[in-house]
Amino acid sequence: AQTVTQSQPEMSVQEAETVTLSCTYDTSENNYYLFWYKQPPSRQMILVIRQEAYKQQNATENRFSVNFQKAAKSFSLKISDSQLGDTAMYFCAFMKPSLIQGAQKLVFGQGTRLTINP
Amino acid sequence: EAGVTQSPTHLIKTRGQQVTLRCSPISGHTSVYWYQQALGLGLQFLLWYDEGEERNRGNFPPRFSGRQFPNYSSELNVNALELEDSALYLCASSGGRQRTNWAFFGQGTRLTVV
Repeated sequence: AQTVTQSQPEMSVQEAETVTLSCTYDTSENNYYLFWYKQPPSRQMILVIRQEAYKQQNATENRFSVNFQKAAKSFSLKISDSQLGDTAMYFCAFMKPSLIQGAQKLVFGQGTRLTINP
Repeated sequence: EAGVTQSPTHLIKTRGQQVTLRCSPISGHTSVYWYQQALGLGLQFLLWYDEGEERNRGNFPPRFSGRQFPNYSSELNVNALELEDSALYLCASSGGRQRTNWAFFGQGTRLTVV
């Protein structure tokens, strides 16, 4: 079974700083997807960024980028020029892409509570 | 384009009662997932429906059940509510013709069992 671990329960940085959230996972699969989701106080889970394991190039979405280290099974999220609106819970998630029954569910880490201070 | 919608947003029930939560997926999505997010815990996978069929369920007792309708909307039913069922229940959708491999979430239903 796959597991996802986020070792930082809470983090806090000043506005405009860069912050990196850690995520490690355990799987025997070679092909899979990794995601970072953001959950602000509104509770809506928002997809921040995704990475396909077969792609060596790290995904980027504006101020958000990942450092995907497949061999180390590490998938960290870097937020540059952090903004007050980035304050939220951040969840790392794993998914094995397959049409085999039961393969599409996401496995989430425990989350990191990120606070951006003015 | 409308996102995933869930109803109701908040619910208070008494222990032993039954509850039904509803989810409408994004138009064109055929898969619906249910997750439980208990206070202080991560998201735990509950159920996955695709094309009207239950494809997989997480490690939850049988009193958690659901169904998916022909229009791909879904219901989650919880019977004999227990205090520890108090949680945020999130619905997500994916799939469809584009077979998107990532899920979009609704805002959740906050269930409180007293």
